[in-house]
Amino acid sequence: DAKTTQPTSMDCAEGRAANLPCNHSTISGNEYVYWYRQIHSQGPQYIIHGLKNNETNEMASLIITEDRKSSTLILPHATLRDTAVYYCIVRPSYDKVIFGPGTSLSVIP
Amino acid sequence: GAVVSQHPSRVICKSGTSVKIECRSLDFQATTMFWYRQFPKKSLMLMATSNEGSKATYEQGVEKDKFLINHASLTLSTLTVTSAHPEDSSFYICSARVDEGQGAAFFGQGTRLTVV
Repeated sequence: DAKTTQPTSMDCAEGRAANLPCNHSTISGNEYVYWYRQIHSQGPQYIIHGLKNNETNEMASLIITEDRKSSTLILPHATLRDTAVYYCIVRPSYDKVIFGPGTSLSVIP
Repeated sequence: GAVVSQHPSRVICKSGTSVKIECRSLDFQATTMFWYRQFPKKSLMLMATSNEGSKATYEQGVEKDKFLINHASLTLSTLTVTSAHPEDSSFYICSARVDEGQGAAFFGQGTRLTVV
């Protein structure tokens, strides 16, 4: 049973911000939102995670709505190397990590 | 972020032989590690959860005698594919969950197994 819903694919122009949405309307109070990405033929790369506050690191920003039912991962200036499958995962910190199909992001020159 | 090292990155073996894949957390302790399998153009499929000092928990449909998991220390878990056959050829990925903090998990580079 999928806890998250993401668009199958998205395009973004190089140099522009990439905004990747994720719906998690059944999220529980103790569940975090984690984002990973996987570049072809590599292991997934951790990007960012949050509980209810917005978070920012050197890779991206995570915006979580006040009701926590959805979130957006923002890559501020997308480059060709950001082309990957992006996974939004909702779970308690102690739980196993289950992947959905994710969003295939293509950054276009 | 934290580093997880997976070895080997690529292996070719003959049918009937066994292959061991190692997963190490290099700069953090991980009581819990995960093993995944990924088919081309598909998402990662969780095979089992590995807990240090105890038996692994396998997902439904995964043969525990086929995929042996040992988690002997807080930084090392191994997956052994026993009596490998061509249908076991796949991309295998491990993950280690940080013991402290908010449960972020970090992933190895993956192992491409080809059984001939």
